[in-house]
Amino acid sequence: QKEVEQNSGPLSVPEGAIASLNCTYSDRVSQSFFWYRQYSGKSPELIMSIYSNGDKEDGRFTAQLNKASQYVSLLIRDSQPSDSATYLCAVRYFGNEKLTFGTGTRLTIIP
Amino acid sequence: DADVTQTPRNRITKTGKRIMLECSQTKGHDRMYWYRQDPGLGLRLIYYSFDVKDINKGEISDGYSVSRQAQAKFSLSLESAIPNQTALYFCATSGGGPKIGELFFGEGSRLTVL
Repeated sequence: QKEVEQNSGPLSVPEGAIASLNCTYSDRVSQSFFWYRQYSGKSPELIMSIYSNGDKEDGRFTAQLNKASQYVSLLIRDSQPSDSATYLCAVRYFGNEKLTFGTGTRLTIIP
Repeated sequence: DADVTQTPRNRITKTGKRIMLECSQTKGHDRMYWYRQDPGLGLRLIYYSFDVKDINKGEISDGYSVSRQAQAKFSLSLESAIPNQTALYFCATSGGGPKIGELFFGEGSRLTVL
C-alpha cells in the first residue's frame, strides 16, 4: 500500500524563524506532490505543488523535492502567527488518478 | 459565494437514519470527490467521479453511496448511519491532466451520529 508519512507534531517555531515541514512517501514511482494548509475548523487549501526534483519557491514558501530519497519538504520563511495551521502533504502516484494524503503536521508559530 | 458549496454544514442524526450530504460547484470541473477526515487519520477518499457517467469507489466506500446528478452536483448518502461515521466530510473538485492533484475543497459538513 502506498503511504505518505508526516510527523504529526505539534511543531513550534518562533515568529520570524524558518519552519521546516517534512514528508516521506513509500513508492519511487510517484508523479506529483502537493502541500495543503488547513486552519482549525476549516477546509484544506492548496499552497504549493511540485512536479520535479529541486526547489520551487512562491513568496515565503519553498517546496523541496528529492525523489531519490523519497521526501518532499515545505519551508516557510519569516514565519508568522497566521502560518499556524496543520499542513497536509499529498502525493499523486504514477498511473493513479487520486491523491494519497499524509495525516498532517500541526505547526504553531510562537509570537 | 464559495466555488464549492456543501449542505448541510452541520448535522446531528441518530443511528439507522438515512443522511444525504450535497455538494455543488461553480468551478466547471469534471472531477469531484468526497473525503472523510477523522482526527489522526487524515483525509480518506470515499468516492470520486470523473464525469456524470463515471463513479468510482475510494478507499473507504463501505456504508456510503453517491450520485452525480449533473456536472456540478455530487451527493453522498449514508443509507443507515452508524456512530463510527461521525466525522468531518469534505467535497472537492479538480481539473484534469496535471491539475488532478490541485483540489478545491468545500467548507465541510460535520456529521454526528448518535
